[in-house]
Amino acid sequence: QKEVEQNSGPLSVPEGAIASLNCTYSDRGSQSFFWYRQYSGKSPELIMFIYSNGDKEDGRFTAQLNKASQYVSLLIRDSQPSDSATYLCAVNRDDKIIFGKGTRLHILP
Amino acid sequence: SQTIHQWPATLVQPVGSPLSLECTVEGTSNPNLYWYRQAAGRGLQLLFYSVGIGQISSEVPQNLSASRPQDRQFILSSKKLLLSDSGFYLCAWTPYGRDLQYFGPGTRLTVT
Repeated sequence: QKEVEQNSGPLSVPEGAIASLNCTYSDRGSQSFFWYRQYSGKSPELIMFIYSNGDKEDGRFTAQLNKASQYVSLLIRDSQPSDSATYLCAVNRDDKIIFGKGTRLHILP
Repeated sequence: SQTIHQWPATLVQPVGSPLSLECTVEGTSNPNLYWYRQAAGRGLQLLFYSVGIGQISSEVPQNLSASRPQDRQFILSSKKLLLSDSGFYLCAWTPYGRDLQYFGPGTRLTVT
């Protein structure tokens, strides 16, 4: 079982709609969870992190964590064409961060 | 504020040539430092990480090596490049005592 799993996509969402990105992880000992956005040809950018069960909101982004189900999600409200990118889910393990392979998101104008 | 630098931004090297990529972090002390490789269309592969000067942990055995000669400097090297070494090389850092990881701009390496 992969440590962090994401659907590779592409996920196509109409402009203005809610984009929902999902991730599962295998290590029940993980305490920190991250979402990165990576535009084509660029390096990943940290956009959200969450440590506790429940929701965490920052602007149009909401991260959701369910440790019992080992499930992390990212919601993007009012999706914009500029949100088109690959979104990487990541979890901590000791001194390292383990990344999923990412979900490609395409916002349709 | 903290910033991370990587150079060069792009590099084209022949097979069998040596490699040296440098990463430096400014505005912080005792960061954890990381080297990743991202091959075309693939995920991030952790290559090396360091929790202090001279302390290097290798994740994947291969023809690459890493060194940390100074607190905020991390170097990735190879004596002889392979075609399979092509990719996007990313340096990242986490602040001391924290787990938020930040990436540098990356070096795109093409081995011909």
